[in-house]
Amino acid sequence: DIQMTQSPSTLSASVGDRVTITCRASQSISSWLAWYQQKPGKAPKLLIYKTSSLESGVPSRFSGSGSGTDFTLTISSLQPDDFATYYCQQYHSYPLTFGGGTKVEIK
Amino acid sequence: EVQLLESGGGLVQPGGSLRLSCAASGFTFSSYAMNWVRQAPGKGLEWVSTINDSGGSFTYADSVRGRFTVSRDNSKNTLYLQMNSLRAEDTAVYYCAKKYFAAAGQNHFDYWGQGTLVTVSS
Repeated sequence: DIQMTQSPSTLSASVGDRVTITCRASQSISSWLAWYQQKPGKAPKLLIYKTSSLESGVPSRFSGSGSGTDFTLTISSLQPDDFATYYCQQYHSYPLTFGGGTKVEIK
Repeated sequence: EVQLLESGGGLVQPGGSLRLSCAASGFTFSSYAMNWVRQAPGKGLEWVSTINDSGGSFTYADSVRGRFTVSRDNSKNTLYLQMNSLRAEDTAVYYCAKKYFAAAGQNHFDYWGQGTLVTVSS
């Protein structure tokens, strides 16, 4: 199975900050990585797929990069609506696996 | 508008069974693989199962293989998850999720239901 490791697990930031979340795969997943945002009591929402493709309707302050085993999600200027938990997911092979999540909190 | 509506969750004793349903609308259900993903209280996301568009192919996480069965009825636009021999560690919110692309291949999720809570406890 491919293990996905996210860091940090918690991140404290202020509105307007540039935020970077890292996801590392235990083996190469090419570019088959997605990022989701989840708010308390809600279903996850797709932000980015295939490492860097922005899902329709997602603000351009979100971006993704990486390949192989190392990936990043960047929020260029954190907005109040962005305080949430973020998960990466590899879909290179089954079993599909998620990172443990990164909670972005208000500083 | 794509909608996924899960139902069937509830409280069940260890060793018991439950069947979840996911009613889909707003897209051509029979053209897309579908998934179940769960989330234990306060924990992260765990993929559970995927079924292809026709229902003839499916795969499971090791944690549920042999106990859970995924199926679909394309005439009713409905996805199912039959859960048997339930354990306390199966307690979670269960989400159904639509595969992004209709074409075969890599599977990530563009639409999710609101989830249904399954609690396994005596």
